[in-house]
Amino acid sequence: NAGVIQTPRHKVTGKGQEATLWCEPISGHSAVFWYRQTIVQGLEFLTYFRNQAPIDDSGMPKERFSAQMPNQSHSTLKIQSTQPQDSAVYLCASSLQAHTEVFFGKGTRLTVV
Amino acid sequence: QQKVQQSPESLIVPEGAMTSLNCTFSDSASQYFAWYRQHSGKAPKALMSIFSNGEKEEGRFTIHLNKASLHFSLHIRDSQPSDSALYLCAVKNSGTYQRFGTGTKLQVVP
Repeated sequence: NAGVIQTPRHKVTGKGQEATLWCEPISGHSAVFWYRQTIVQGLEFLTYFRNQAPIDDSGMPKERFSAQMPNQSHSTLKIQSTQPQDSAVYLCASSLQAHTEVFFGKGTRLTVV
Repeated sequence: QQKVQQSPESLIVPEGAMTSLNCTFSDSASQYFAWYRQHSGKAPKALMSIFSNGEKEEGRFTIHLNKASLHFSLHIRDSQPSDSALYLCAVKNSGTYQRFGTGTKLQVVP
């Protein structure tokens, strides 16, 4: 069990460019979550899927952020027109069911310059 | 909207001491309560969780939940330098995601 896999581990983008982050959840887990972590805001919820269906995206900045889960083995988080305030560690997590322990990936550190 | 707050923000304790970390939440309908530990540069990892009022002990770690007070805590007995990390509490309502506090940074000094 390789755990939750996130790629890339680090990404640097210029202001206004697009960034796509990838996540492979643990096989068999039905719930997939995206969070972002900064020192100031802590661990903030972005969105989550259950059995590939989007359930709650209330944490997503609506205009520039989008997430998809085209199949049970991967999810993507896309940020259009990146801004410096988007700089953070983006964490993907999965759980066996929505009400159990979540397992986090190592994260993607996004830096917008 | 659910608010989750942790105290203290940071803590330094001597090796062998008891460490107590606190978490308060605002929604009395919350159903799942957990503590995660995050070592520097690593992913958060679940330590332990509880669903109902009372205490649960696993090794040196004890979680205590009082729903009426909207409060739960983590106690670490015989704290070790390897316990130095960021501790995050998480609260969840039925059918939703886990909402995290901003964390308590613990340093255990030899």
